[in-house]
Amino acid sequence: QKEVEQNSGPLSVPEGAIASLNCTYSDRGSQSFFWYRQYSGKSPELIMSIYSNGDKEDGRFTAQLNKASQYVSLLIRDSQPSDSATYLCAVNIMTTDSWGKLQFGAGTQVVVTP
Amino acid sequence: DGGITQSPKYLFRKEGQNVTLSCEQNLNHDAMYWYRQDPGQGLRLIYYSQIVNDFQKGDIAEGYSVSREKKESFPLTVTSAQKNPTAFYLCASSITSAKTGWGTEAFFGQGTRLTVV
Repeated sequence: QKEVEQNSGPLSVPEGAIASLNCTYSDRGSQSFFWYRQYSGKSPELIMSIYSNGDKEDGRFTAQLNKASQYVSLLIRDSQPSDSATYLCAVNIMTTDSWGKLQFGAGTQVVVTP
Repeated sequence: DGGITQSPKYLFRKEGQNVTLSCEQNLNHDAMYWYRQDPGQGLRLIYYSQIVNDFQKGDIAEGYSVSREKKESFPLTVTSAQKNPTAFYLCASSITSAKTGWGTEAFFGQGTRLTVV
């Protein structure tokens, strides 16, 4: 089982609609969760972080965390063509020998169609 | 300006050659990471370090080596033992990544594209 799993997509979303992305993780002890956006050929940029169960909103983005079910999701409201990118879920995973490590999912490609 | 600097942006390696990718940060972050990204794929963890003079292997450490002699620097050497090194290499740093499962946001450099010629 992979430590962080995402649907690879592509997820096609009409302009103005809501894009919904999901991520599951294997480590029950994880406490820190992040969403990154990566445009083709560029490095990832942080868009959301979430640490507590529930919803966290920032502009058109809402992150949702459910630690009991071990999933974290990202909603993008009023999707714009500029939102077309790959969205990466990242989770801080505990390790047995030392510190935590930041592990990424494979990413979900989002395509917003005009 | 505070940030993470990777150099060079593009790097070409001949067969059997070792090359070193530079990563420097002036954010006073304790944790630093190296990831590899292949076309259409996610980020795979190569090595990570939480404190000076200590680092841990990630999922794909074979054929790579690192050092952490200074807090702000975490260079990655791609050795000749790495048979398929062509990829996009990303360095990241965060304030901390504790063993308790808590960690802070990581920020990335602009990446180095390595090509074997």
